[in-house]
Amino acid sequence: EAGVTQFPSHSVIEKGQTVTLRCDPISGHDNLYWYRRVMGKEIKFLLHFVKESKQDESGMPNNRFLAERTGGTYSTLKVQPAELEDSGVYFCASSRVVSGNTIYFGEGSWLTVV
Amino acid sequence: GQNIDQPTEMTATEGAIVQINCTYQTSGFNGLFWYQQHAGEAPTFLSYNVLDGLEEKGRFSSFLSRSKGYSYLLLKELQMKDSASYLCAVTDTDKLIFGTGTRLQVFP
Repeated sequence: EAGVTQFPSHSVIEKGQTVTLRCDPISGHDNLYWYRRVMGKEIKFLLHFVKESKQDESGMPNNRFLAERTGGTYSTLKVQPAELEDSGVYFCASSRVVSGNTIYFGEGSWLTVV
Repeated sequence: GQNIDQPTEMTATEGAIVQINCTYQTSGFNGLFWYQQHAGEAPTFLSYNVLDGLEEKGRFSSFLSRSKGYSYLLLKELQMKDSASYLCAVTDTDKLIFGTGTRLQVFP
């Protein structure tokens, strides 16, 4: 069974540019999560999809971040325009059910904004 | 507020036992996870505790006390490959709240 896959693994962009991160969850997992880790800090929740619906987007930093999951399969996270403080590792995770079950993480997309 | 505390770094010797503590204060609680993360890799699930007590899985065990807001991860018979970051995370409704992680270095 393939794990959670993320693309790109690394991205370096200039301030003001746009970046789109993609996540393919494990097949059959309705729950998809985005998390972010900025340098030296803990991993923080961004948002949670159940199928194609946003269940909880309370962790999204601001309106420069847009997440979509059309069709309830893969998800994209777009940052537009990117700022220096957006640099970090963006993790995607998926699970079959919401609670009491294993949440599987991808290896993350490393974003550097210069 | 939400707060998860764990030591930043720990060192241990190959073959030894190490205990990584985690204390938490969160508005909600649906369980506590421990993840292992090697540099540049995905966090990998180790354990999940929702009831008080000890869960044992091979060389790794995890303990939870909900009344004390406390958990620990116990690693026995340490191997060099156990050098990694260990993340404590509490589930609050649908999201994981992470600590900053404990970086464990195992020396020969």
